[in-house]
Amino acid sequence: DVVLTQTPVSLSVTLGDQASISCRSSQSLEYSDGYTYLEWYLQKPGQSPQLLIYGVSNRFSGVPDRFIGSGSGTDFTLKISRVEPEDLGVYYCFQATHDPFTFGSGTKLEIK
Amino acid sequence: EVQLQQSGPEVGRPGSSVKISCKASGYTFTDYVMNWVKQSPGQGLEWIGWIDPEYGSTDYAEKFKKKATLTADTSSSTAYIQLSSLTSEDTATYFCARWAYSSPYFDYWGQGVMVTVSS
Repeated sequence: DVVLTQTPVSLSVTLGDQASISCRSSQSLEYSDGYTYLEWYLQKPGQSPQLLIYGVSNRFSGVPDRFIGSGSGTDFTLKISRVEPEDLGVYYCFQATHDPFTFGSGTKLEIK
Repeated sequence: EVQLQQSGPEVGRPGSSVKISCKASGYTFTDYVMNWVKQSPGQGLEWIGWIDPEYGSTDYAEKFKKKATLTADTSSSTAYIQLSSLTSEDTATYFCARWAYSSPYFDYWGQGVMVTVSS
């Protein structure tokens, strides 16, 4: 199975600062069709996960442009510029290139 | 408005089975694959598998092949997950989430169902 290693495990950020989360895959996530099935989800406390980024760098509808996904192959990054209070929660990367699909172990974002 | 409405919390005895539902509304049920995700208390997310309601085809993560059975009823636009031979390891929240081949991501999620295994 593909292992997604997220770092850091937790992150404490001052409001208005930038946060960066890494997701490293044990295998390339580029599918044979050229698409990379790498997504980022945020799970706010007590809520269901919500989609932020799909296809490495595409923001889902309604997601602020403060969220920027990048990367290729096995290394991916989610950057959150100008962190706001509503950004707190646990961030997960997720891959659907290889069966079985897998989630990263999560990164907890806290506000200082 | 797209909604995935899941059934209420369940308590199951060790060795028994429970069946959770996920009723879809606001879209054509057969246009999307339904996935299921497990979250143990205080832990991360685990993908269980998916069902294509149009064809009834399924795919499971290996560790859930003997634990979970995914079904769907197109007449009621409802997906189900049955968990069998319950153990304490099955105590968790279970989410449904839809996925389209043309838009390969989980754009809508159910609210989650807490399953507690207890004697």
